[in-house]
Amino acid sequence: DAGVTQSPTHLIKTRGQQVTLRCSPKSGHDTVSWYQQALGQGPQFIFQYYEEEERQRGNFPDRFSGHQFPNYSSELNVNALLLGDSALYLCASSTGTKNSPLHFGNGTRLTVT
Amino acid sequence: GQQVMQIPQYQHVQEGEDFTTYCNSSTTLSNIQWYKQRPGGHPVFLIQLVKSGEVKKQKRLTFQFGEAKKNSSLHITATQTTDVGTYFCGSGTYKYIFGTGTRLKVLA
Repeated sequence: DAGVTQSPTHLIKTRGQQVTLRCSPKSGHDTVSWYQQALGQGPQFIFQYYEEEERQRGNFPDRFSGHQFPNYSSELNVNALLLGDSALYLCASSTGTKNSPLHFGNGTRLTVT
Repeated sequence: GQQVMQIPQYQHVQEGEDFTTYCNSSTTLSNIQWYKQRPGGHPVFLIQLVKSGEVKKQKRLTFQFGEAKKNSSLHITATQTTDVGTYFCGSGTYKYIFGTGTRLKVLA
């Protein structure tokens, strides 16, 4: 039973570039949430996708966008990268019901130079 | 918006000592979830509390949810080196708000 898988594991980009991160949820999960975790901080909610639509969004600018595919996998896109976007990006899947525990992937470490 | 504060930020203990981290909110929480993140790893779900005054135990770990549902605590009895990591509390229904975490170091 595969857990949450994310790719790539590490990425280095230059300011102004665009990046796409990918996530496959745990088997049996239909909901994907994305979090940004800066060093020494707790995960910050970016958005959640359910039934291929954005169900909830955190306080992130429109440069952050996402998509969910029919097989429940998801992508996070960030445009016009800033140095401050450097962080660990975590994908978490769940069953989509209220209060459902989150199962996190290993994350993508993004460095913007 | 809803905020969850966690204290302390860091805690160093000798192996065998007890450890407690606290999670506080200014608003009533619908639930509280606890996660553990090992160094270099990802958060792993430990437990969820939803009822006022609820207490749950997992071996050496005891979790409490306050009567007013505005605070929670995680207590570890007789810490071991395997307890090292950062403990996060979080709350929400679909959108989870996490605390800043308590980083635990256990000295052998």
